Amino acid sequence: KAGVTQTPRYLIKTRGQQVTLSCSPISGHRSVSWYQQTPGQGLQFLFEYFSETQRNKGNFPGRFSGRQFSNSRSEMNVSTLELGDSALYLCASSPLNAGATDTQYFGPGTRLTVL
Amino acid sequence: QQQVKQSPQSLIVQKGGISIINCAYENTAFDYFPWYQQFPGKGPALLIAIRPDVSEKKEGRFTISFNKSAKQFSLHIMDSQPGDSATYFCAALGTGNQFYFGTGTSLTVIP
Repeated sequence: KAGVTQTPRYLIKTRGQQVTLSCSPISGHRSVSWYQQTPGQGLQFLFEYFSETQRNKGNFPGRFSGRQFSNSRSEMNVSTLELGDSALYLCASSPLNAGATDTQYFGPGTRLTVL
Repeated sequence: QQQVKQSPQSLIVQKGGISIINCAYENTAFDYFPWYQQFPGKGPALLIAIRPDVSEKKEGRFTISFNKSAKQFSLHIMDSQPGDSATYFCAALGTGNQFYFGTGTSLTVIP
């Protein structure tokens, strides 16, 4: 099976712009989670989608949003970019849920740089 | 506030030595504790995981030790190899199926 794919792999934006990142989960996986990874904070949970519904949300401002499509592909959007949004954004998929019974499989991430 | 505290931030070990990474948590509702391994340019990959009803779990050269009363858990890598050089993250699963990650430990194994 193909792994989790994320596009684009690298992105450079300027402050105030918006950005959309895409994630294609492993075939058959219905849960997609998004994380922000920074050197000082490690991985911070953004949100989780399951069957096109957001089930969980982390402690991020409303500028961060996401959605999931009927084929389980997911997108996340960040509006009004700030310098502090520069990070590696990771997507992870699970067969059923992001809970203890399922392993999360991570994609390689999208490296976002905000200038 | 960091829900899971991980130490050390970086670790250098000689080949064949034991690498030990520690994590501590406060929330007693956490009930699943995985460790992830991440190589440069890759996403984290599940290495080994443990539930709080078990004090130790071993898979090959990797062992998790879990101390429920102290709310601490650690990863031990026996016979460390240069190929083990990576960043390691501990994590804990809380209510609402949300994972909380440590800040990571960069391990370098010297040949």
